[in-house]
Amino acid sequence: QKEVEQDPGPLSVPEGAIVSLNCTYSNSAFQYFMWYRQYSRKGPELLMYTYSSGNKEDGRFTAQVDKSSKYISLFIRDSQPSDSATYLCAMSNTDSNYQLIWGAGTKLIIKP
Amino acid sequence: NAGVTQTPKFQVLKTGQSMTLQCAQDMNHEYMSWYRQDPGMGLRLIHYSVGAGITDQGEVPNGYNVSRSTTEDFPLRLLSAAPSQTSVYFCASGTSGATDTQYFGPGTRLTVL
Repeated sequence: QKEVEQDPGPLSVPEGAIVSLNCTYSNSAFQYFMWYRQYSRKGPELLMYTYSSGNKEDGRFTAQVDKSSKYISLFIRDSQPSDSATYLCAMSNTDSNYQLIWGAGTKLIIKP
Repeated sequence: NAGVTQTPKFQVLKTGQSMTLQCAQDMNHEYMSWYRQDPGMGLRLIHYSVGAGITDQGEVPNGYNVSRSTTEDFPLRLLSAAPSQTSVYFCASGTSGATDTQYFGPGTRLTVL
């Protein structure tokens, strides 16, 4: 079993829909949770960063961490075709030996 | 600032050939790393460095060597290319390893025939 599980998709939704992307993990020591966005043939870029539990909002994006369920989510409101990309979750703790643990990524397609 | 740069963008090798993938950053980051990305596998860490002169192995280090003689540069060497090393390679840098933003380069697409 992988330490971080992420549905690879693709997930296809119409423009304007609310999108929910999720990752589950097995290591209860994880404290740092990140979502990276990767456009086709580009490097990943950080989208959201959350420490410990709770929600964080940035414009149309909300990151949510539920440590009791070992489950993190990224919500995208009013989705746009420009949101079409692969979304990767990553997580770590201070004992991770400098290594982020990555999900496999979910490919998201927003249809105009 | 150029950020993280990688060369070449594309490369085709024959089995057994060697080559070096170049990575440079101009953000004065101590931490640098190399990943490979394969379909359905996500990002897998090959090697990383926490500062000049210090390197360590990641999840999939076999067949690759690294060195870090300066803060700016972190080249990845393929010693004897194999078809299993066909992948997209990303270099990343950050102020720290696992708990801070990682800035990625544009990637190198490598095909080994």
